[in-house]
Amino acid sequence: DVKVTQSSRYLVKRTGEKVFLECVQDMDHENMFWYRQDPGLGLRLIYFSYDVKMKEKGDIPEGYSVSREKKERFSLILESASTNQTSMYLCASTSGATSTDTQYFGPGTRLTVL
Amino acid sequence: RKEVEQDPGPFNVPEGATVAFNCTYSNSASQSFFWYRQDCRKEPKLLMSVYSSGNEDGRFTAQLNRASQYISLLIRDSKLSDSATYLCVVNIQSDYKLSFGAGTTVTVRA
Repeated sequence: DVKVTQSSRYLVKRTGEKVFLECVQDMDHENMFWYRQDPGLGLRLIYFSYDVKMKEKGDIPEGYSVSREKKERFSLILESASTNQTSMYLCASTSGATSTDTQYFGPGTRLTVL
Repeated sequence: RKEVEQDPGPFNVPEGATVAFNCTYSNSASQSFFWYRQDCRKEPKLLMSVYSSGNEDGRFTAQLNRASQYISLLIRDSKLSDSATYLCVVNIQSDYKLSFGAGTTVTVRA
């Protein structure tokens, strides 16, 4: 069974803290994605990775960085958390070489920055 | 202008009813289209892809209208378990990036 897991379901951090969100998939997928989901805005792509150590900026990369040292793990880093980064963060992975392949999502991390 | 726009709803329908809603996309070069379903406090999951000729999956029918740049989803014989937010998803470019609508919420009541 396809499985994408995220390190935390809920996280509360203070402004200025460095935050790490981890995502692990057990499907040997090539491509991994980080989105944030906000009411009325839908899912917005932050970063994606199509291979180990490779990364591409999505639509809203400012304030974020990513790391992919192993195929199964894709980390999202908030270098200095700000209140406008309070959101639901969703990780996804897909096996295929094109975006027509199904994206499998993790359960999400609801991050609150105080 | 958003790349993908949806009526947020909510659409409140009784069990057994038919409900339909659309999604419009702005880029005429869009190539692939999908409906994802997201239950409350859960992650999105693929419901179905949308093909040019239209397609059905059980009680769900998806249509694509390229001329008017919209896709639609119709749910027949609604069940309580169909209550969810339906996300319209479009591939704008021929790469890995998908654009998501904000979702249409459907609530089926007994």
